[in-house]
Amino acid sequence: EIVLTQSPGTLSLSPGERATLSCRTSQSVSPAYFAWYQQKPGQAPRLLIYGAFRRATGIPDRFSGSGSGTDFTLTISRLEPEDFAVYYCQQYGNSPRTFGQGTRIEIK
Amino acid sequence: DVQLVQSGAEVGKPGESLKISCKGSGYTFTDYWIGWVRQKPGKGLEWMGIIYPEDSDTRYNPSFQGQVTISADKSTGTAFLQWSSLKASDTAMYFCARPSSGLADSFDYWGQGTLVTVSS
Repeated sequence: EIVLTQSPGTLSLSPGERATLSCRTSQSVSPAYFAWYQQKPGQAPRLLIYGAFRRATGIPDRFSGSGSGTDFTLTISRLEPEDFAVYYCQQYGNSPRTFGQGTRIEIK
Repeated sequence: DVQLVQSGAEVGKPGESLKISCKGSGYTFTDYWIGWVRQKPGKGLEWMGIIYPEDSDTRYNPSFQGQVTISADKSTGTAFLQWSSLKASDTAMYFCARPSSGLADSFDYWGQGTLVTVSS
């Protein structure tokens, strides 16, 4: 099983600031099979990024993904109030599919 | 529009059986895999398994193999997650989710979640 480790656990930032979230995998993962999700309290996760850098339908361009091999990054260029949430990375190229443990972005 | 609508919250006792559902609409149900994801209270997401409703080809996360059964009913466009003997550790929110196209795809569509509480 591929283990995904996200850092930091919590990011304390202000609206308008840049957020950089990291996800490291225990084995190399093809970027074609890497995703990021956003989850707000009481809601289902929402797909943000798939294929490491492709934005899902309706996702604003302040969200961007990058990375390859074992290191992937989600960047939010300027935080909006609605971006304060928990973010999960996922690999879906190997079985079982696995998620990271999540990074929470909280308002500073 | 693609929609996944899950059954309502359930409360069960240890040892009881339970089956929750996820009804797909807005697309051809048999053309897409449907997966299940567990989220324990205050914790992260765990991929449980996935089924292809056309032929019931099912893939389980080894951590959940033998603990749950995933099934689907083509006639009603509904996927199911069931337990034969609940444990307190099964208390969690369960989401169904559908990949955009194939098995090796991200989950583009999600149900609203079903909260399962197991308590004596």
